[in-house]
Amino acid sequence: NAGVTQTPKFRVLKTGQSMTLLCAQDMNHEYMYWYRQDPGMGLRLIHYSVGEGTTAKGEVPDGYNVSRLKKQNFLLGLESAAPSQTSVYFCASTQSYNSPLHFGNGTRLTVT
Amino acid sequence: AQRVTQPEKLLSVFKGAPVELKCNYSYSGSPELFWYVQYSRQRLQLLLRHISRESIKGFTADLNKGETSFHLKKPFAQEEDSAMYYCALGAGMNTGFQKLVFGTGTRLLVSP
Repeated sequence: NAGVTQTPKFRVLKTGQSMTLLCAQDMNHEYMYWYRQDPGMGLRLIHYSVGEGTTAKGEVPDGYNVSRLKKQNFLLGLESAAPSQTSVYFCASTQSYNSPLHFGNGTRLTVT
Repeated sequence: AQRVTQPEKLLSVFKGAPVELKCNYSYSGSPELFWYVQYSRQRLQLLLRHISRESIKGFTADLNKGETSFHLKKPFAQEEDSAMYYCALGAGMNTGFQKLVFGTGTRLLVSP
């Protein structure tokens, strides 16, 4: 039981490049989330999903897209990376609205 | 709008001293409040939630609706308590999903 797994752990991109961050959970959770963590700003919600095939915008969705084609996977895409997207990205999942979140280990992304 | 305020970026205490990490929130509905902790090189994890009214690792937190606060307390700090602590507010309960709004975090440093 691995919990929530994020890949990759680190990545350096050049401005304008694209990439996809993968989040996988093996707990059969319905809800999945992508957060970004920046110094002095805490964690901010980018996008979330309340079930397979559904996605919704969070607090800071611009510049990101997501997909939830399979229940266990939640993908975060950057179509054209910008330096402002340099951050640590966390994925989380939970079974129900009043259950605690389970977090992944994070992906540290640097955009030069 | 929902908001969580953690006024202290860093709290430095000596081992055995009492600790209080402050958290204030703004929310028009019935709040669901949590404390999450991130130890060095570990993933973010739930420490406690207000509805459980339990003590975890010696920490307690009481919801004060009058002062809109959810301060985290421990009477005698230990070195292993050194970590980043995030207060979080559960919003969107009426829509059937959990969307946490995080504070900016407080780093607790316990010195020997």
